[in-house]
Amino acid sequence: DAGVIQSPRHEVTEMGQEVTLRCKPISGHDYLFWYRQTMMRGLELLIYFNNNVPIDDSGMPEDRFSAKMPNASFSTLKIQPSEPRDSAVYFCASSPRQGVRAEAFFGQGTRLTVV
Amino acid sequence: GDSVTQMEGPVTLSEEAFLTINCTYTATGYPSLFWYVQYPGEGLQLLLKATKADDKGSNKGFEATYRKETTSFHLEKGSVQVSDSAVYFCALKGPGGSNYKLTFGKGTLLTVNP
Repeated sequence: DAGVIQSPRHEVTEMGQEVTLRCKPISGHDYLFWYRQTMMRGLELLIYFNNNVPIDDSGMPEDRFSAKMPNASFSTLKIQPSEPRDSAVYFCASSPRQGVRAEAFFGQGTRLTVV
Repeated sequence: GDSVTQMEGPVTLSEEAFLTINCTYTATGYPSLFWYVQYPGEGLQLLLKATKADDKGSNKGFEATYRKETTSFHLEKGSVQVSDSAVYFCALKGPGGSNYKLTFGKGTLLTVNP
């Protein structure tokens, strides 16, 4: 299996522009997560989906952030408009099941720089 | 709420040295505990996990024991290699309503010199 695939690996954009990050989870995994990693706050859960339905988006920082999962093999995280403080590494992860023992499998991340 | 505290880095060791990275947690009930590793330029990979008290997780020479009495899950390796250089994250997953969410520590950067 190819694992969780994210694109692009690196994104540099100007403040005010729209940014879209993409994720393909592992086939057969029903749960998909978006995390953000910053030096100040570490790794934070932004949103998670179960069977393509957003379940908990309480970690999404502002209305400028939105996430979709149109089908079981694709998800996007969009920031519009982007701001310099959005600069971070964004990870997508998927899991085959829920539960306290379930492991999450992470993609390689997208490093976003907003200038 | 749930939280994880791990020792601040960076940690620099010589090859074949003994490694300990401390991790303590705060959670209600009986969480599962994880160590993830992030190699340079890569995503996080599960290194080991333990799901109940006194369980020992182990992988690639690394070990960690779930200590309920001290709420700890310290990572150890008897002899580190240069290839172990990475950032190590301790994490927990709580029972109940938050059993989908991993709560991470800040991470510890390990550098192993030849």
